[in-house]
Amino acid sequence: LVLTQSPATLSLSPGERATLSCRASQSVSTYLGWYQQKPGQAPRLLIYDASKRATGIPARFRGSGSGTAFTLTISSLEPEDFAVYYCQQRSSGGGAPLTFGGGTKVEIK
Amino acid sequence: QVQLQESGPGLVKPSETLSLTCTVSGGSFNNYYWSWIRQPPGKGLEWIGYISYSGTTYYNPSLERRVTISLDTSENQFSLKLGSVTAADTAVYYCARYSGTWVVFDYWGQGTLVAVSS
Repeated sequence: LVLTQSPATLSLSPGERATLSCRASQSVSTYLGWYQQKPGQAPRLLIYDASKRATGIPARFRGSGSGTAFTLTISSLEPEDFAVYYCQQRSSGGGAPLTFGGGTKVEIK
Repeated sequence: QVQLQESGPGLVKPSETLSLTCTVSGGSFNNYYWSWIRQPPGKGLEWIGYISYSGTTYYNPSLERRVTISLDTSENQFSLKLGSVTAADTAVYYCARYSGTWVVFDYWGQGTLVAVSS
């Protein structure tokens, strides 16, 4: 399973909408997660099951998609949202490898 | 609130074995998988492997020959051993809790940088 994230970098201003894409090389149903990572910090789970927000995650973060195409939308960027975002899945079959996408950096324009 | 904390040497010599321990607090080992993930400087995330609460292990095929993950529930710890290390194994190593139900890592340690150098 390969997860391809695009774009690699997204340059936006606070208040703008961010749309991040994650494509899987095979169908993964809705078993996809999104993480946010800031410099010097561990990744933080944002979204699981493609569209469910993790505990404490603001409503401006929305996940969507199923099968092979997934999107993370940040409706209105706050200063603390500028970070790197990763998607993650597991190939089918028990004990199958877990895979992360290459990441999308959301930077201040 | 579940908390994870990595510990171990920050410097390992080439060809030796990297050993890290993750101490878990605030939660039970039951019904979850306990994982190691690494991130080379400036690069993305790579899953190393995980161990179930019953002791079953699953490893990334690319690292399987060199990796061992073990569990000590009496000490609320799980450990990573990575043998025959090279400079390519230099990375921040994270421990994390993995939910098999939702196929995501829901709690992470802060990470520890391990450099491989003579």
